[in-house]
Amino acid sequence: AQKVTQAQTEISVVEKEDVTLDCVYETRDTTYYLFWYKQPPSGELVFLIRRNSFDEQNEISGRYSWNFQKSTSSFNFTITASQVVDSAVYFCALSKGNTGFQKLVFGTGTRLLVSP
Amino acid sequence: GAGVSQSPSNKVTEKGKDVELRCDPISGHTALYWYRQSLGQGLEFLIYFQGNSAPDKSGLPSDRFSAERTGGSVSTLTIQRTQQEDSAVYLCASSLLAGGTEAFFGQGTRLTVV
Repeated sequence: AQKVTQAQTEISVVEKEDVTLDCVYETRDTTYYLFWYKQPPSGELVFLIRRNSFDEQNEISGRYSWNFQKSTSSFNFTITASQVVDSAVYFCALSKGNTGFQKLVFGTGTRLLVSP
Repeated sequence: GAGVSQSPSNKVTEKGKDVELRCDPISGHTALYWYRQSLGQGLEFLIYFQGNSAPDKSGLPSDRFSAERTGGSVSTLTIQRTQQEDSAVYLCASSLLAGGTEAFFGQGTRLTVV
């Protein structure tokens, strides 16, 4: 069975601090995809990144970076120099095999509060 | 439209009534997904449509739930004889293809069963 664990329920930081959101996953598939989504107060899920299981190269996009480590089954997300607009709930998700987006298994989410 | 549109945005219904939730995907997107977000269960996959293929209904929680997609575009999720545990936000998403492309989510329909 597939499972995604986001142990941090809520994180509070002050603007400009760096923050890392943890994600640990379980799967028996050798091919899988990992995702991060952002859910702002408006409610819609905003896609941030997709990573396949064969690509462990870390990725940086502006203030966002992701660290994928198969050895520890983790896919952590770091926001550098956080801003108030980063306040949202962040979800890590997993899909099996080459099904891409078909069936996402989500973690319970981490609520990030960035105060001025 | 520019994004995935869901209606209504909020729905309050009495226990035992039937409800229909609508999703208008992004034009040209062949794949459509329904998810449910509730306090107790988090985000759960419900059903998936891809083109003219038979839908993947493996996530529907009971036979009171059904969905259809007419003309490969608009989708309706129907819940019959609603129960209080059906209260949740129902999210729809669409993508250009089944896999390998980004899925765009709507803002959801908040269903409250009283």
